[in-house]
Amino acid sequence: QSVLTQPPSASGTPGQRVTISCSGSRSNIGSNTVNWYQQLPGTAPKLLIYSNDQRPSGVPDRFSGSKSGTSASLAISGLRSEDEADYYCAAWDDSLNGRGVFGGGTKLTVL
Amino acid sequence: EVQLVESGGGVVKPGGSLRLSCAASGFSSSSYRMNWVRQAPGKGLEWVSSISSSATYIYYADSVKGRFTISRDNAKNSLYLQMNSLRAEDTALYYCARDRVGSMAYDYWGQGTLVTVSS
Repeated sequence: QSVLTQPPSASGTPGQRVTISCSGSRSNIGSNTVNWYQQLPGTAPKLLIYSNDQRPSGVPDRFSGSKSGTSASLAISGLRSEDEADYYCAAWDDSLNGRGVFGGGTKLTVL
Repeated sequence: EVQLVESGGGVVKPGGSLRLSCAASGFSSSSYRMNWVRQAPGKGLEWVSSISSSATYIYYADSVKGRFTISRDNAKNSLYLQMNSLRAEDTALYYCARDRVGSMAYDYWGQGTLVTVSS
């Protein structure tokens, strides 16, 4: 059971907008920034969003992040077939002397 | 070009030990918190351990505390993970990753090194 809760799956058709949620608690999302990763099959994760809503250079502006209280969301607009991947949220957790926590991951399918 | 290259994985019996290494290039790792993240076959990402830039602060997941030791050699631009008392559940692909802002924003990852714990 992951500390951060994500839906196991999400889907959409090309061109649609999809959102993936990430629910945590006061000690992680409530106190620290949220990051999002995209993992394509057989590859290392890629940083998609950091500090809640910042995009690293090279990440299309179709990807956006937001945070409110102890929850966060990743939105993907103009869905494309190459967006089919696993998505993970992550945050630092201040409990237990400090630790990193990931969500369980969301498998996005482009129909 | 920033690169992280892990090595040291392999097959080990339960109770055995392995030492993973991560060689950084293209940047000075001494300026960054460095981290280990693992992924069991077919499973999600699991944070394992983090070490601050000067090794002043070290953190471990409960699942590895007391068995794994993270360390770094900034002169060699390298990160290490000493893994003792290995268990079947430690079987995973182990990634090293650089934290760009010190809050799990891992902007560069290695390709991973596979650790298999099996009798």
